[in-house]
Amino acid sequence: GQNIDQPTEMTATEGAIVQINCTYQTSGFNGLFWYQQHAGEAPTFLSYNVLDGLEEKGRFSSFLSRSKGYSYLLLKELQMKDSASYLCAVMDSNYQLIWGAGTKLIIKP
Amino acid sequence: GAVVSQHPSRVICKSGTSVKIECRSLDFQATTMFWYRQFPKQSLMLMATSNEGSKATYEQGVEKDKFLINHASLTLSTLTVTSAHPEDSSFYICSAGFGLALETQYFGPGTRLLVL
Repeated sequence: GQNIDQPTEMTATEGAIVQINCTYQTSGFNGLFWYQQHAGEAPTFLSYNVLDGLEEKGRFSSFLSRSKGYSYLLLKELQMKDSASYLCAVMDSNYQLIWGAGTKLIIKP
Repeated sequence: GAVVSQHPSRVICKSGTSVKIECRSLDFQATTMFWYRQFPKQSLMLMATSNEGSKATYEQGVEKDKFLINHASLTLSTLTVTSAHPEDSSFYICSAGFGLALETQYFGPGTRLLVL
């Protein structure tokens, strides 16, 4: 079966760095996405990785290792507005997105 | 980035009534539109995938007669929840993709449905 695993909840301090991990087992691979979702809102796109390595975009970076079925989202200089759920999703061989359950990130002052 | 709108943003209805939710891609032609449902504290669950001019493909466990999807044009897809019941209360989100690979989906703002 297809499976996406990510921690349910994480807590970090304002100004610090946090890494949210995602492991996956899917039938085929056409890229991995990270989305941010604030409570009561639709997800917003953060990053897309299809090749191994690190993609940096401002305070957010995303890493992918296809051989390990592993990705992480790195958030630097955390701000209170970063409190949200972070969803990992993998596009399989049929170009369907398989979604993780999301990681709720709580930022404390 | 591309813009996708949904209407209404929030709806409250009585049990047994039908509710229609519209999803529009405002500045691009969407090859494919996706309909998701999200219950509180859970991740998105894909309900169906629709391509313009053809029948929607429903995920396992989703009743096609209850959740009617019409994708009449490249910019509009509608989801009708027929004979809604309280257990259908959820956050419904559409997304639109374009191109062959659909690497990027643009999400609408979502519709919160409450069935009394």
